[in-house]
Parts: sequence; structure tokens; C-alpha cells
Amino acid sequence: DGGITQSPKYLFRKEGQNVTLSCEQNLNHDAMYWYRQDPGQGLRLIYYSQIVNDFQKGDIAEGYSVSREKKESFPLTVTSAQKNPTAFYLCASSWGQYNEQFFGPGTRLTVL
Amino acid sequence: EDQVTQSPEALRLQEGESSSLNCSYTVSGLRGLFWYRQDPGKGPEFLFTLYSAGEEKEKERLKATLTKKESFLHITAPKPEDSATYLCAVHSENTDKLIFGTGTRLQVFP
Repeated sequence: DGGITQSPKYLFRKEGQNVTLSCEQNLNHDAMYWYRQDPGQGLRLIYYSQIVNDFQKGDIAEGYSVSREKKESFPLTVTSAQKNPTAFYLCASSWGQYNEQFFGPGTRLTVL
Repeated sequence: EDQVTQSPEALRLQEGESSSLNCSYTVSGLRGLFWYRQDPGKGPEFLFTLYSAGEEKEKERLKATLTKKESFLHITAPKPEDSATYLCAVHSENTDKLIFGTGTRLQVFP
């Protein structure tokens, strides 16, 4: 079954801790993305990667970091510098930059 | 500035009562317009891609249409299982990123 997986589904973090969200895809897509979704707002782009070992900042990259060492994987680290990290995080992938994006099931992060 | 606006914010329908959701966009050049369905607590599910004015796509009770300024998602004889938030997004020539609207929350009652 081809698709995108994200783990964990729920994540709780204490203030001051870094946490890493996992995103894996077996669709053989070149491009991968991280979005943040907050109530009443559209999806906002955090980081994206069009090819292995390369990534670009999105609209709200401050306090986040990523890596793209493998085509299938695009982990997102939420650092302690992110001032309001509680949100629903969505990973997506696509064949190319302008093709439709397919989303994973999401990770809900709560900072205690 | 590229912008996407969806209306209404929320829509309540009786089962079988057809209606339309609107997605208005302002971009300098449209590369593609995308519709997604999102259930609570889940990731968006891809529905349609539209590229040029006049284009139409259909899937079961859903039909998406595109003009130069807006797109409509028509829902014919909806069922309770069509209840979800419907998201619209556009790719413009100005940017290499998708721009999302805030969505329309649809509730269909039996």
C-alpha cells in the first residue's frame, strides 16, 4: 500500500524540549513538505524539499528544522525556540513542485 | 499578493439538498487549483486538480468547476458521510508554494 505515514499521532512536550516528528513516504515522490494547521487558519508552510539533501524555508520556518537525507524521509524538529508549538502538523509529498500534494494523517503536538 | 478566499465558512444542509462551495482566488498567473476534503483530526484527502478556465472534474456526488476568478465545488444530493471541511488551494506563477484557503465546514443532516 503506497502512502505517507507520520508518527507519532499524538505528542506531548514540556516547554524547553526539542521534539522530532517523523514523516515517511513510499510513493517515490521527489518533493516533500511540512505544514502547520491551527484552528481558523489555512495550512501554513514550514519547510519543503524538492530533492534529497536540499530544502527551503517556508512561510513560518522560525523555531523549526528539517533534514532530507533519504528520498523517503523528511523529519521535522520542533525546537525550544518555537514560541507557540501546540498545533496539528501535516506532512505531504508530490511528484514535482506543481503537482497535487498528498498528505499524511498528521501529528498533534501539545506543549504542556 | 496572491490570495485564496473560501465561502461560506460553514454550511449546513439537509440530506439530498444540493449546494455549492466557493473558492475565489487572486493570483498573477494560475498554475493549478486543488480541492481537498479533510475529516476532523485527519490529513486532507486530495479530490481534484483544475488547470484552466472552463475545466470540470467529477467524482461521485462532487463536481468541481473553474473560471478565471473562482472555483466552485458542487455537491449533488449530499449524504451525511459528505460532512467534512473542504479546502481549496492554488499554485501561482509568483511562488513555488501552495496557498490554502481556510476551508468550508460542511455538515449534512439526515
